[in-house]
Amino acid sequence: GAGVSQSPRYKVAKRGQDVALRCDPISGHVSLFWYQQALGQGPEFLTYFQNEAQLDKSGLPSDRFFAERPEGSVSTLKIQRTQQEDSAVYLCASSPWREVHNEQFFGPGTRLTVL
Amino acid sequence: DAKTTQPNSMESNEEEPVHLPCNHSTISGTDYIHWYRQLPSQGPEYVIHGLTSNVNNRMASLAIAEDRKSSTLILHRATLRDAAVYYCILRDLIQGAQKLVFGQGTRLTINP
Repeated sequence: GAGVSQSPRYKVAKRGQDVALRCDPISGHVSLFWYQQALGQGPEFLTYFQNEAQLDKSGLPSDRFFAERPEGSVSTLKIQRTQQEDSAVYLCASSPWREVHNEQFFGPGTRLTVL
Repeated sequence: DAKTTQPNSMESNEEEPVHLPCNHSTISGTDYIHWYRQLPSQGPEYVIHGLTSNVNNRMASLAIAEDRKSSTLILHRATLRDAAVYYCILRDLIQGAQKLVFGQGTRLTINP
């Protein structure tokens, strides 16, 4: 079946531009996560949704980062006034609520480069 | 979340077994041990998880020490496709912890 998809796969932005990254989770998955992965590092948690409710946004690095999931399915991560330090791979993951071990299924990521 | 310690890198040969260690000396009684791996240019993927007993699945085996302060992921017969970064992660699922807390992981290289 279809996995988690993300678009675009690659995004180049000039410093100061706004960007929007899209995540299509696996159909029926209640939980959705965003992670940021800098070059050579492990992924770092950004935010978590359960259906349309954003239950944890403790990992968002600044108020320039905003995420939404208005209908409990597709999610968008928006970064305003991008900075060079925002350059990273942004990973989306989804998880079915009732799985005992809550395995997370990851998309391929969006590689953002800020010039 | 309790922290884990893994070697930065390991190397093995194709078709040989690989033992990837993880230390988690501050593990709590309700922490599950999860392993994910990340192949080049892909998102992480789930490998295996366990609580106290050793576990086997089609991908790997997980051996957990009796005191639970360490664990070992075992790839029984490595292939070139197993070259990846392997992450050992503790998750307190009883407390409802949802996010994954990744460390640096172990970069596994497989020689043909």
